[in-house]
Amino acid sequence: GEDVEQSLFLSVREGDSSVINCTYTDSSSTYLYWYKQEPGAGLQLLTYIFSNMDMKQDQRLTVLLNKKDKHLSLRIADTQTGDSAIYFCAETRSGSARQLTFGSGTQLTVLP
Amino acid sequence: NAGVMQNPRHLVRRRGQEARLRCSPMKGHSHVYWYRQLPEEGLKFMVYLQKENIIDESGMPKERFSAEFPKEGPSILRIQQVVRGDSAAYFCASSPDLNSPLHFGNGTRLTVT
Repeated sequence: GEDVEQSLFLSVREGDSSVINCTYTDSSSTYLYWYKQEPGAGLQLLTYIFSNMDMKQDQRLTVLLNKKDKHLSLRIADTQTGDSAIYFCAETRSGSARQLTFGSGTQLTVLP
Repeated sequence: NAGVMQNPRHLVRRRGQEARLRCSPMKGHSHVYWYRQLPEEGLKFMVYLQKENIIDESGMPKERFSAEFPKEGPSILRIQQVVRGDSAAYFCASSPDLNSPLHFGNGTRLTVT
């Protein structure tokens, strides 16, 4: 199976909170990242968390890391139509010379 | 401060031709990475370079693909004798050091006809 897994689709109503989930398999993961990709564009770094942290908050974004369950989530508060995009979870592992391993992405659709 | 610059944005090649993809990292960044995104998939690591050195090429196909990051000028990803399966978006990323996050360019979308 894939090393990093995400659900493919998520739909929410404008103003609601979105929670995008990610699971990974490698316990040696050092950093975990969330990237946003809009159509035809590159990847925009949203936030990242070091593996010895449980939570990180940055304005509307909250990242939660459950290292025991190897589960990472991204919560977007007050979701707006401009948040519609594909969200990628990614990890780096110690000793892998800075390779990022990406999930397949979650397509977030924000409904008016 | 300009971000990671990739060109061209779109590239069309016939089977058997060569494709050259260029990447200029962010100012002050000496670490460059190339990733490939096939349709409906996430990004897959290809190669990691520093100036004049290939550090990790474990994700590069064994044949037809090569990468360089010369002392002067952009990093180049070169694909010889392209085939239809090479059609993908190729993303370059850069970082200033090993501990900082990667910043990605907008990618080059290669179409092989």
